[in-house]
Amino acid sequence: AQSVTQPDIHITVSEGASLELRCNYSYGATPYLFWYVQSPGQGLQLLLKYFSGDTLVQGIKGFEAEFKRSQSSFNLRKPSVHWSDAAEYFCAVVPPSGDAGNNRKLIWGLGTSLAVNP
Amino acid sequence: NAGVMQNPRHLVRRRGQEARLRCSPMKGHSHVYWYRQLPEEGLKFMVYLQKENIIDESGMPKERFSAEFPKEGPSILRIQQVVRGDSAAYFCASSLQGQENSPLHFGNGTRLTVT
Repeated sequence: AQSVTQPDIHITVSEGASLELRCNYSYGATPYLFWYVQSPGQGLQLLLKYFSGDTLVQGIKGFEAEFKRSQSSFNLRKPSVHWSDAAEYFCAVVPPSGDAGNNRKLIWGLGTSLAVNP
Repeated sequence: NAGVMQNPRHLVRRRGQEARLRCSPMKGHSHVYWYRQLPEEGLKFMVYLQKENIIDESGMPKERFSAEFPKEGPSILRIQQVVRGDSAAYFCASSLQGQENSPLHFGNGTRLTVT
């Protein structure tokens, strides 16, 4: 079945340490890829997205993600984590079909909860 | 605030009552999506609307749930005769267009608690 997998449910890192959150998808073709962040009690905010082109994409808040076709992955990274980065991170994909309205087909991973130790 | 506005932020209803959740999309956006986030589950698509039209309600429960997006005013998600299983966070998102390359902008959600 087509799906999005975030293998890590919870991750704890120390402030200042580097971070990598994993995301894998299982689609035949390259989907559109997104990372969203949900801070406690808040809605989801788009961190970055990949449609085509350069496989390393830069996002907001110092985050970046790298698309690796061979591994069907789109891992999120940050060189140095801040305490304010503690949140839930969601990877999401939209299968590319060319049909209008495909935003409703956004498939979400279950999320990775990030805790940051001082 | 030019973002997606949802209200109320928190809503408590007793079993059997009706819940009304409102969503005002970003200015200029005519596409609205409703998602439900159950505890320890991912976001699930419920319904996709454009002004005055329901485009896709394939994710909506067949009974008790309805949605509208009138020509004027916010989009409304209505849940009649609520049950405890309806307790969840309901998120609204809007986009400029409906295509996959038109990113979604989310509201802060309405957290519904059914007692």
